[in-house]
Amino acid sequence: QKEVEQDPGPLSVPEGAIVSLNCTYSNSAFQYFMWYRQYSRKGPELLMYTYSSGNKEDGRFTAQVDKSSKYISLFIRDSQPSDSATYLCAMSSGNTGKLIFGQGTTLQVKP
Amino acid sequence: NAGVMQNPRHLVRRRGQEARLRCSPMKGHSHVYWYRQLPEEGLKFMVYLQKENIIDESGMPKERFSAEFPKEGPSILRIQQVVRGDSAAYFCASSGQGSDEQYFGPGTRLTVT
Repeated sequence: QKEVEQDPGPLSVPEGAIVSLNCTYSNSAFQYFMWYRQYSRKGPELLMYTYSSGNKEDGRFTAQVDKSSKYISLFIRDSQPSDSATYLCAMSSGNTGKLIFGQGTTLQVKP
Repeated sequence: NAGVMQNPRHLVRRRGQEARLRCSPMKGHSHVYWYRQLPEEGLKFMVYLQKENIIDESGMPKERFSAEFPKEGPSILRIQQVVRGDSAAYFCASSGQGSDEQYFGPGTRLTVT
């Protein structure tokens, strides 16, 4: 079993839809959670960083962490074609700096 | 450009040659991480370095791979005697002191022919 599980998709939605992306994890030592966006043949771009259970909002993006269920989510409101990319969840225990990534979910937002 | 810089962006090597990948961290950052991304796979941690120190190399293959982050200059990921299976995108990330937020560079795409 992988430490971090993420459905690779692809996920296709119409412009303006609310997108929900999710990851589950098995290691209870994970304390820090991140979401990255990666466009084709580019480097990952840090979107959201959280370290506690609950919600964190930044513009159209909301990150949600449920440590009791070992489940994290990223919500994108009013999705745009420019949001079409691969979204990677990542997490760490904070002791070594090593990030463990999910496989990534490919999102396509259709105009 | 205050972001993480990597060069070269594309590197082609024949089997048996050496590959050297360079990474300059974001200004003010002293922690460097290397990750590898194989086709259809997620990012895999390789090594974590601070200036003149390897902190965690648990993701590095036991042979042919080495990394350094000297007192002066960029961090270097070195792959000796490359094989076709080394073809991948190699990403460098950096973070500041006491921070877990890692910022990634554009990557180096290594092709072994």
